[in-house]
Amino acid sequence: DTGVSQDPRHKITKRGQNVTFRCDPISEHNRLYWYRQTLGQGPEFLTYFQNEAQLEKSRLLSDRFSAERPKGSFSTLEIQRTEQGDSAMYLCASSSALTPTLYGYTFGSGTRLTVV
Amino acid sequence: QKEVEQNSGPLSVPEGAIASLNCTYSDRVSQSFFWYRQYSGKSPELIMSIYSNGDKEDGRFTAQLNKASQYVSLLIRDSQPSDSATYLCAVEDFNKFYFGSGTKLNVKP
Repeated sequence: DTGVSQDPRHKITKRGQNVTFRCDPISEHNRLYWYRQTLGQGPEFLTYFQNEAQLEKSRLLSDRFSAERPKGSFSTLEIQRTEQGDSAMYLCASSSALTPTLYGYTFGSGTRLTVV
Repeated sequence: QKEVEQNSGPLSVPEGAIASLNCTYSDRVSQSFFWYRQYSGKSPELIMSIYSNGDKEDGRFTAQLNKASQYVSLLIRDSQPSDSATYLCAVEDFNKFYFGSGTKLNVKP
């Protein structure tokens, strides 16, 4: 499969626990994005990488959130001390740095997080 | 934060009709615009992109862009029940996309 892969698909966690999600982008894409989507809203930008460099992080993003892309391939998104307000679908997307505005992003299937 | 506004709907149209979906955006410097379709519980999938003023057609879909009015629209001709989904408008800004909250479309058989 050559699409964007996310793992896990679903995660239920207790408030206060840490969670980590993984994203494997399309292999030839060097840009990787994380978005969060809550019910009835569009995806909200969290952060993005070009290769291993994190180029931008949303100012709205809590310090409890951190993302890495250590070798410029897969990425992880960690949420520390989860809160009920973190419940959402976490979407990963990838694109080529040369053509993001020509062909848009390709999204993964998402990780649905429920904090109880 | 860039503003991208869409009517949340639902927009209901009969099968075979034309569905018209609209989007306005706040940033005049935006150059690239996208329409995504999202089925319930699924991730967004790209339908169309548009960069120049005017119309762009792809099969049953036509995207329209008016940068002076900061307005983007999507027309779906011969609407099918399988087109029932939420349609997200996205505006590009320095390599990031800002999304509207989406318009839910219901196509009635």
